Amino acid sequence: GAVVSQHPSWVICKSGTSVKIECRSLDFQATTMFWYRQFPKQSLMLMATSNEGSKATYEQGVEKDKFLINHASLTLSTLTVTSAHPEDSSFYICSARDLVRGTAKNIQYFGAGTRLSVL
Amino acid sequence: TQLLEQSPQFLSIQEGENLTVYCNSSSVFSSLQWYRQEPGEGPVLLVTVVTGGEVKKLKRLTFQFGDARKDSSLHITAAQPGDTGLYLCAGVRGGGADGLTFGKGTHLIIQP
Repeated sequence: GAVVSQHPSWVICKSGTSVKIECRSLDFQATTMFWYRQFPKQSLMLMATSNEGSKATYEQGVEKDKFLINHASLTLSTLTVTSAHPEDSSFYICSARDLVRGTAKNIQYFGAGTRLSVL
Repeated sequence: TQLLEQSPQFLSIQEGENLTVYCNSSSVFSSLQWYRQEPGEGPVLLVTVVTGGEVKKLKRLTFQFGDARKDSSLHITAAQPGDTGLYLCAGVRGGGADGLTFGKGTHLIIQP
């Protein structure tokens, strides 16, 4: 099956620093990747849609200057949390849609997530 | 904003019992997906339902999409401890390019 790799799986950083999270589709190409955030005991909330070669589309209430997204290739999207603060601590999950097999039914394959803790 | 209401949020039952999880919305979705998520991991797709009234079976799990494509249910027969986990429904917004709208999830515990 399709595999999406997310790195790092866990990161602790000091308040004010920036953190970059990578999302890679390992065995398929993905023109579209999605970034979600999940707080403890809550569901996933879509943050932004990452499109290869173009600007990301952010959901209402998500600061684009705070959460920088770059989708430079068909297999890699990155999310950078800039000047992180404790309230940014969360579980960040990416997903990728298979260009060939996923388009019709919007089948997305999820990464294992990145737990961010900002001190 | 399209919202998905999922119920119950928490459910703890004995092994061998049956259960149903509901996912409801006032909006129409082009399709609906059910996921299972383990702690500290990403969601894993169980099934996608597309057609109103569609029923899909996955071993002891039965998924149904409402006729109006606004609601869905997951029924588990003879639940086993291995079924324990977080079950999420997710609606696909129209257009094919949008991200998923997730319900709040159902935390299911099957006690041996």
